[in-house]
Amino acid sequence: AQKVTQAQTEISVVEKEDVTLDCVYETRDTTYYLFWYKQPPSGELVFLIRRNSFDEQNEISGRYSWNFQKSTSSFNFTITASQVVDSAVYFCALSEASGYSGGGADGLTFGKGTHLIIQP
Amino acid sequence: DAGVIQSPRHEVTEMGQEVTLRCKPISGHNSLFWYRQTMMRGLELLIYFNNNVPIDDSGMPEDRFSAKMPNASFSTLKIQPSEPRDSAVYFCASSLPRGRDQPQHFGDGTRLSIL
Repeated sequence: AQKVTQAQTEISVVEKEDVTLDCVYETRDTTYYLFWYKQPPSGELVFLIRRNSFDEQNEISGRYSWNFQKSTSSFNFTITASQVVDSAVYFCALSEASGYSGGGADGLTFGKGTHLIIQP
Repeated sequence: DAGVIQSPRHEVTEMGQEVTLRCKPISGHNSLFWYRQTMMRGLELLIYFNNNVPIDDSGMPEDRFSAKMPNASFSTLKIQPSEPRDSAVYFCASSLPRGRDQPQHFGDGTRLSIL
């Protein structure tokens, strides 16, 4: 069975600090997909990034960066120079490639989320 | 382009009543997912459809829950009879048909309160 663990329930930092959100996953599959979503106070879920298990390259998008390490089953997310608008709950999610899906996608297994508070 | 559209945005009803949640996926998406979010259990997958066919409903909590997708542009999640423990935010999501690596795009959710 697949599992996603986000051990940090809540993180509070002062604006402009860097912050890293941890994500550890468990899966028996060799092919799988990892995602990060953001849920701002307004409640919607916003897609941030996906990564497949064969691509361990780190990715940077503006102030956001992601570090994928298969050896430790981790997919961590770093925000550089945090801003108040980054305050949200961030979810890490996993999708396995095994099983019949009828030619489409599979459901996501989400971590419990990390509530990030950026103080001015 | 329109995103995933869910209705209603809020629903308050008394226990025992039937509740129907609606979802219109993004045009061209062939996978549709229903999730439930609660404080205790977080985000849970309830059921998903590919090409209008239910693939996995193992997340549906009880027989009181049912979901249908009569065509590519519409899905419903029904609870009958509803109970206070069904109170949650219910999200619908859809994704493109190119496979499991496609991101799921979520609607704004339906906040359901069962009194």
